Amino acid sequence: AQSVAQPEDQVNVAEGNPLTVKCTYSVSGNPYLFWYVQYPNRGLQFLLKYITGDNLVKGSYGFEAEFNKSQTSFHLKKPSALVSDSALYFCAVSETGANNLFFGTGTRLTVIP
Amino acid sequence: EAGVAQSPRYKIIEKRQSVAFWCNPISGHATLYWYQQILGQGPKLLIQFQNNGVVDDSQLPKDRFSAERLKGVDSTLKIQPAKLEDSAVYLCASSLGTSGRRETQYFGPGTRLLVL
Repeated sequence: AQSVAQPEDQVNVAEGNPLTVKCTYSVSGNPYLFWYVQYPNRGLQFLLKYITGDNLVKGSYGFEAEFNKSQTSFHLKKPSALVSDSALYFCAVSETGANNLFFGTGTRLTVIP
Repeated sequence: EAGVAQSPRYKIIEKRQSVAFWCNPISGHATLYWYQQILGQGPKLLIQFQNNGVVDDSQLPKDRFSAERLKGVDSTLKIQPAKLEDSAVYLCASSLGTSGRRETQYFGPGTRLLVL
């Protein structure tokens, strides 16, 4: 069965510093991996996805994520955090044979001015 | 391009009452999803439609929840009767094709339900 873990409920980072939001997964077969962001009272917004190919995926708003098969991880990164990046971030995975996504419990990112 | 539309945005009901949510997906999107997001948790899939057929409803509590997607466009999700544990945000999402797990899903703003 597929599962995804976001080990940190809360991440705090100073504005201008690099940020990392962690995600690890467990699936059968090849994973498809997604990152979504949720702002208050709004739905989830798509940031990026890994399907195949280059392990470094670039997405919206300057975010990127690196697929690491040996560590079964897909951490979200940004070189320089903005206060407007403060939000709830969800990692999601889909395994071979699945039709849909399984979401993690989310990580709340706070960027401190 | 207009996004996924949902209504109402908020709903408060008493337990044992019924409630219905409406979703209009992005124009041309073949696949539609309903998720339940309980506070502090990630979204959990309730039901997935491709056009007007059900692909996956394995997590839908069928004794009280029902959903339909008439004409392969709009969809409604109904709860009858509601329980306290149904308090959650109900998210609708759509994706363009029918390629399953590789599809990017686009989410609506959600309906926040409070059952008293």
